[in-house]
Amino acid sequence: TQLLEQSPQFLSIQEGENLTVYCNSSSVFSSLQWYRQEPGEGPVLLVTVVTGGEVKKLKRLTFQFGDARKDSSLHITAAQPGDTGLYLCAGGETSGSRLTFGEGTQLTVNP
Amino acid sequence: DTAVSQTPKYLVTQMGNDKSIKCEQNLGHDTMYWYKQDSKKFLKIMFSYNNKELIINETVPNRFSPKSPDKAHLNLHINSLELGDSAVYFCASSHVGRSTEAFFGQGTRLTVV
Repeated sequence: TQLLEQSPQFLSIQEGENLTVYCNSSSVFSSLQWYRQEPGEGPVLLVTVVTGGEVKKLKRLTFQFGDARKDSSLHITAAQPGDTGLYLCAGGETSGSRLTFGEGTQLTVNP
Repeated sequence: DTAVSQTPKYLVTQMGNDKSIKCEQNLGHDTMYWYKQDSKKFLKIMFSYNNKELIINETVPNRFSPKSPDKAHLNLHINSLELGDSAVYFCASSHVGRSTEAFFGQGTRLTVV
């Protein structure tokens, strides 16, 4: 079974600060996705990375896929209270439809 | 237009009862899933259907039985509910490919009392 470890598990910061969330595995994934979940809602896809070393930017969010396709990071610049939520990474297996989720990082951005 | 919709959103029931959760997607995806999210927010896959065929069946008690009448629907029936079944259950759908991106419903919060 492939496992994804996310760190940190909890993060509470002030508005305007930068932060990085990490997602690590000993397994290779065909793709790596990041989702954000707000209370009472389902996870919503933010980005998918598929190529080793790939970097994608979504406004103040920067996502990177490790060269070996085993790890990923999410960096948020100048965090805002609206960024508050549960961030989940998920790895797609090469063999098919299974997505393996990390344990999540609960981010709180205080005004 | 709701992409993945599941009902009900909340379900409170007594131990020993049988209940069902329904899910429908209008995205034209070929694969649907049931996930369970526990109190620590960990999302664990339970089942996956591809074109109505069961392709992932994790270690889930056989009190849980999924049914997919067609590609757009995946229901979950739970028999003899137990306290430990309390969780949020999410339905999701995707089109299987190199990057399998899942689209989730709003979740069903099941509370067994």
